[in-house]
Amino acid sequence: GESVGLHLPTLSVQEGDNSIINCAYSNSASDYFIWYKQESGKGPQFIIDIRSNMDKRQGQRVTVLLNKTVKHLSLQIAATQPGDSAVYFCAENKGGSNYKLTFGKGTLLTVNP
Amino acid sequence: NAGVTQTPKFRVLKTGQSMTLLCAQDMNHEYMYWYRQDPGMGLRLIHYSVGEGTTAKGEVPDGYNVSRLKKQNFLLGLESAAPSQTSVYFCASSLGWGIQYFGAGTRLSVL
Repeated sequence: GESVGLHLPTLSVQEGDNSIINCAYSNSASDYFIWYKQESGKGPQFIIDIRSNMDKRQGQRVTVLLNKTVKHLSLQIAATQPGDSAVYFCAENKGGSNYKLTFGKGTLLTVNP
Repeated sequence: NAGVTQTPKFRVLKTGQSMTLLCAQDMNHEYMYWYRQDPGMGLRLIHYSVGEGTTAKGEVPDGYNVSRLKKQNFLLGLESAAPSQTSVYFCASSLGWGIQYFGAGTRLSVL
């Protein structure tokens, strides 16, 4: 079936460096994507989203890039801080009347001081 | 604004016992969802609701029932708990299709 996956299960970076978390999706009909952050013991928290008619969207210290040609999504975090340590999920939605999100398994980001 | 509130936060059950997990949202969202999260599995949809009085099955509905009698509440019931239902349960809500907002989770152990 269709699935959303991540290239790397873990990522370790130094404080102040930029982080890049990748996600591959296989459903070509997906037209909306979301990144979530989940800290230990907490629920997923919305970070940023992007629709398929865009290839880039920026937020505060975060940028999401979408490459529909190769069905790839990435989350870039600038100047990574210890508070960014968490599991990051990508999720896809077909849009329209489909309210369901399909989640990837997540990447654990560890920021070393 | 509390967002999505789940109760209880922790629970331990014996095999065969039943329980109800409560989810409440104060954002006037139409859509609500119940997920379970297991190590290495990601979030899996159990049941969802697209409005008051409606429910639908998700990816892993067996052993669970739900009710949406009021727009702000979505209840998840375990009829006869099994060790395979040991998991972390998350409730979420959304205005429509798009961003889902999650609660803090309920950690359930079935012995």
